[in-house]
Amino acid sequence: ETGVTQSPTHLIKTRGQQVTLRCSSQSGHNTVSWYQQALGQGPQFIFQYYREEENGRGNFPPRFSGLQFPNYSSELNVNALELDDSALYLCASSPGQGHGYTFGSGTRLTVV
Amino acid sequence: DQQVKQNSPSLSVQEGRISILNCDYTNSMFDYFLWYKKYPAEGPTFLISISSIKDKNEDGRFTVFLNKSAKHLSLHIVPSQPGDSAVYFCAASAQRSGGSNYKLTFGKGTLLTVNP
Repeated sequence: ETGVTQSPTHLIKTRGQQVTLRCSSQSGHNTVSWYQQALGQGPQFIFQYYREEENGRGNFPPRFSGLQFPNYSSELNVNALELDDSALYLCASSPGQGHGYTFGSGTRLTVV
Repeated sequence: DQQVKQNSPSLSVQEGRISILNCDYTNSMFDYFLWYKKYPAEGPTFLISISSIKDKNEDGRFTVFLNKSAKHLSLHIVPSQPGDSAVYFCAASAQRSGGSNYKLTFGKGTLLTVNP
């Protein structure tokens, strides 16, 4: 299987709710990173998982959490949604901890 | 604190001419730099990269130049084609102890429009 697949493509949630975004990485890609891209901004690093453990985190609060599974899929969970969480969420995977990241098309989250 | 800056939000060039996209950075620990291209409704696509031990890397129509003393890099596209019209992001990373680079710091992007 080639490419990185993210679901859903679009999502609307209400402030205070919880959301789970999903990512299916390429086979063999044991590193996955999540990024948040707000309107007019570049992607901002949320965290990275390597072999199912978090091994790096950006300046995001603990209500942003993640999981990585043995089948190369992963999740981004956001609790207590705030209006400022509205953004495009990008998943990127690579076969190691180097720079060969492949990005998915993202999930557009709107919090109302 | 914007560690990677792309000061031109947009750039318009004629087909066949050169496109030059610029990027500045402030973190002297950055040792690897990448350019990504992004079309609407798609994720960023890797274009070209350069390590801090080099000052130039070329791949077909795309060349990246790195000036470490000025903390500046640029992407040259020659000749520019209408299909190159997209948002271009500059990104940088700093090697962690243990040899694994993990976090990309992106600029805000430059919208390149190549007119036929």
